[in-house]
Amino acid sequence: GQQLNQSPQSMFIQEGEDVSMNCTSSSIFNTWLWYKQDPGEGPVLLIALYKAGELTSNGRLTAQFGITRKDSFLNISASIPSDVGIYFCAGQYSNYQLIWGAGTKLIIKP
Amino acid sequence: EPEVTQTPSHQVTQMGQEVILRCVPISNHLYFYWYRQILGQKVEFLVSFYNNEISEKSEIFDDQFSVERPDGSNFTLKIRSTKLEDSAMYFCASKAPTLYNEQFFGPGTRLTVL
Repeated sequence: GQQLNQSPQSMFIQEGEDVSMNCTSSSIFNTWLWYKQDPGEGPVLLIALYKAGELTSNGRLTAQFGITRKDSFLNISASIPSDVGIYFCAGQYSNYQLIWGAGTKLIIKP
Repeated sequence: EPEVTQTPSHQVTQMGQEVILRCVPISNHLYFYWYRQILGQKVEFLVSFYNNEISEKSEIFDDQFSVERPDGSNFTLKIRSTKLEDSAMYFCASKAPTLYNEQFFGPGTRLTVL
């Protein structure tokens, strides 16, 4: 089946630093979604991307849909403590299932 | 802001027992989904449901699983005879009937099979 490779697996950063994570696939997607999950909770949608090359921002978050439609990245600028959590990319090619990356765990060093 | 709700938040059951996990999707949404997440792992698709029928399902969604929309608001996942490996967080999600593929997730039900 389709697979998404998400990297890095985890990131240790200082508060105020910028963060970058990405997902790649061998398959083409029509939609890329980025979610954040806090412990014990459901994924919360951060950004949705629908067109190749599209660059979308949501506050300090910026995500791009790769030109080849096989990749996407998420940047977080000037990280703050509440950014801690696991970030997942998810790709979709139909109305139906989302294919998920393995997640990037963001940890902010005290 | 409307949200997906799920009950119970935690279900503990004995192996071989039947469980029903319940979800109330966002009211004007027409596409419904179940996903599961084994502790520390990625989210996995189980099934999607549209127009009162299953539209897509994964290999995980075998004959032990079923879904139902018994009325205009609830969407349920039934596991007929639970196994130890069914222990996971189960998430319900829903999507509006638009061109946009944004799926909104509930808080999850943690299923523990003993």
